[in-house]
Amino acid sequence: GAGVSQSPRYKVAKRGQDVALRCDPISGHVSLFWYQQALGQGPEFLTYFQNEAQLDKSGLPSDRFFAERPEGSVSTLKIQRTQQEDSAVYLCASSAKVGTVYGNEQYFGPGTRLTVT
Amino acid sequence: ILNVEQSPQSLHVQEGDSTNFTCSFPSSNFYALHWYRWETAKSPEALFVMTLNGDEKKKGRISATLNTKEGYSYLYIKGSQPEDSATYLCASPYSGGGADGLTFGKGTHLIIQP
Repeated sequence: GAGVSQSPRYKVAKRGQDVALRCDPISGHVSLFWYQQALGQGPEFLTYFQNEAQLDKSGLPSDRFFAERPEGSVSTLKIQRTQQEDSAVYLCASSAKVGTVYGNEQYFGPGTRLTVT
Repeated sequence: ILNVEQSPQSLHVQEGDSTNFTCSFPSSNFYALHWYRWETAKSPEALFVMTLNGDEKKKGRISATLNTKEGYSYLYIKGSQPEDSATYLCASPYSGGGADGLTFGKGTHLIIQP
């Protein structure tokens, strides 16, 4: 079946603009994760959904970042008033099971590369 | 806070040679260790998920070992091919309020030279 898809693949925003990044997980996957990868770094955890419930948002860097998954499938990561330090690749991953502690595999999308000018 | 370290940061290998690189992680409260391969403009692809000390896993020419007592994992590539050029990431879960994400290393960027 289809893997995880993300759109847009590339986004250029002017500083101060709002952006919305979309993630379509694998159908039926319970868990959905967002990660942010800055240049030269590994991906860093932002937030986690179990179905429609956002159970962990400890990685969101500021209150300008907001994520939702209202029907337990598609998720949107919104960044308000973008800043240059928000420039990064934003990765979405889904998993068939709850959490990752016991080695549940995460399936990643190709990411959205956000450039804030 | 969980620290996952990878070395080397980048690696140039001649086609046909074998190579290996390292992932280190705290040995306390270990849950699992994931390896991913990430080619430019593609999705990170899961290679292995390892949970038990002494685990050895293999997929084609790629294999991995796990030592949870000393906190490291090795990834081996035998007879490197140009299509092996990618960034190899390792990651381990951390416990954050009951809902868990992965903590990643910075990756090893592997370039296979023909």
